[in-house]
Amino acid sequence: IAGITQAPTSQILAAGRRMTLRCTQDMRHNAMYWYRQDLGLGLRLIHYSNTAGTTGKGEVPDGYSVSRANTDDFPLTLASAVPSQTSVYFCASSVAGDNNEQFFGPGTRLTVL
Amino acid sequence: AQSVSQHNHHVILSEAASLELGCNYSYGGTVNLFWYVQYPGQHLQLLLKYFSGDPLVKGIKGFEAEFIKSKFSFNLRKPSVQWSDTAEYFCAVSGGYNKLIFGAGTRLAVHP
Repeated sequence: IAGITQAPTSQILAAGRRMTLRCTQDMRHNAMYWYRQDLGLGLRLIHYSNTAGTTGKGEVPDGYSVSRANTDDFPLTLASAVPSQTSVYFCASSVAGDNNEQFFGPGTRLTVL
Repeated sequence: AQSVSQHNHHVILSEAASLELGCNYSYGGTVNLFWYVQYPGQHLQLLLKYFSGDPLVKGIKGFEAEFIKSKFSFNLRKPSVQWSDTAEYFCAVSGGYNKLIFGAGTRLAVHP
C-alpha cells in the first residue's frame, strides 16, 4: 500500500441499505477526513479525526458516522442510505496541525437509488 | 464562518493562453491557503500552499499564486497553459485545526 486506499471504487446501493466505505492510509498520519464532492459545491467535510480514538463532525455530518479504532483506518458508514447521499466520497489524511497538506485517496463513487 | 469563493466555474482556453483563476476567502484571522488540482478521473493533488512570508507562491507545473491580504484573495496564475492542464482546480483555506474549507471549484478546459 502506498498513500491512501479506498474501497470500493464504486457502488450502487438501494435506498435504506447500510453501507461502509473503507479508507486506509500507510503514512502514519494522525489526522484523517471524509469529504463528499458534488458538482458546483466543491468538497464538503463530513467527519474528521485528529487522532486515533477521537472523531468530530464536519460541515455535513447528518446520515453518516465514523470510527477511528487505530491510526490507519477510518471507515465511513451510511446507516440507511438515501438518494441525496449519491456523491463521490474522498478520504484524506494529514500530519496533525493546521498547516499541513492533506493527501487524498482515489475516491468512491456511490449511487443511491 | 469561513468561506471560499471561486468566481469562475468554467474556463475555456487555448494552449499558450495565460490563466488566472480567482479565489476569495472570508476569515478574520491568520489564514493558510491552498490550491488543489483534480485531473480527470484522479484524486486531488496539492498545487501550492501559502502559510506565511513571501505572498507570491510558486507551485508545481509552472503554477503560482499571490496572496493579497487587503483583498482577501489568493488567485492562481500560469503564464502559458497546456492541454495537460485540463482539470478542476480548488482553492481552500484552513478552517481551524486540521480542517480545510474548499471552494466550489473551477473546471478548466484547454484546447490544443
